[in-house]
Amino acid sequence: QSVLTQPPSVSGAPGQRVTISCTGSSSNIGADSDVHWYQQLPGTAPKLLISGNNNRPSGVPDRFSGSKSGTSASLAITGLQAEDEADYYCQSFDSSLSGPIFGGGTKLTVL
Amino acid sequence: QVQLVQSGAEVKKPGSSVKVSCKASGGTFSSYSFSWVRQAPGQGLEWMGRIIPILGIGNNAQKFQGRVTITADKSTSTAYMELSRLRSEDTAVYYCARDKGGSSGSFFEYWGQGTLVTVSS
Repeated sequence: QSVLTQPPSVSGAPGQRVTISCTGSSSNIGADSDVHWYQQLPGTAPKLLISGNNNRPSGVPDRFSGSKSGTSASLAITGLQAEDEADYYCQSFDSSLSGPIFGGGTKLTVL
Repeated sequence: QVQLVQSGAEVKKPGSSVKVSCKASGGTFSSYSFSWVRQAPGQGLEWMGRIIPILGIGNNAQKFQGRVTITADKSTSTAYMELSRLRSEDTAVYYCARDKGGSSGSFFEYWGQGTLVTVSS
């Protein structure tokens, strides 16, 4: 049971927009801790996608964007492409656990 | 560019220990902290702990207290994670990652390729 809750799966057709939610609590996202997102392609290591709620590292397409409000955060992917099919994880800091925490991950399927 | 290269796959017996290495290049090793994150087969990511090489100290997730030891060798820019009293549930891919801190929590900017540790009798 992950501290941050994500939907197990989402799907969309090429070109569509999808969002992935990440729900936390008052000891993590709600405590003003930043939310970060990672993309994990099959058989590879995770890759940083979004840091500090809505900052894209160099090389990440602007089709990816993040937002945060209250105790939740979201990752939006527009103009869906086949290469976006992957697992996506949110991550934050939990003050009760005194360490980083992850969501359970969301599998994105491009139809 | 930053690279984290981890040691190879391991097969261990229950009750034994494993030590995984992570050699960093392309940055100033002591300027960052390094974390270890594991992923059991078909499961999500789990933070285990971190080391701050310049201080030689770090902190571990409560779940792994007493079983995990994370160290760093500044002379070789290498971080290590040793997990003891292994059990079958420790079978996982273990990743090292370079942390980047922020005022509202750090994140994992670069990742190693992962090391599969299999615990089996």
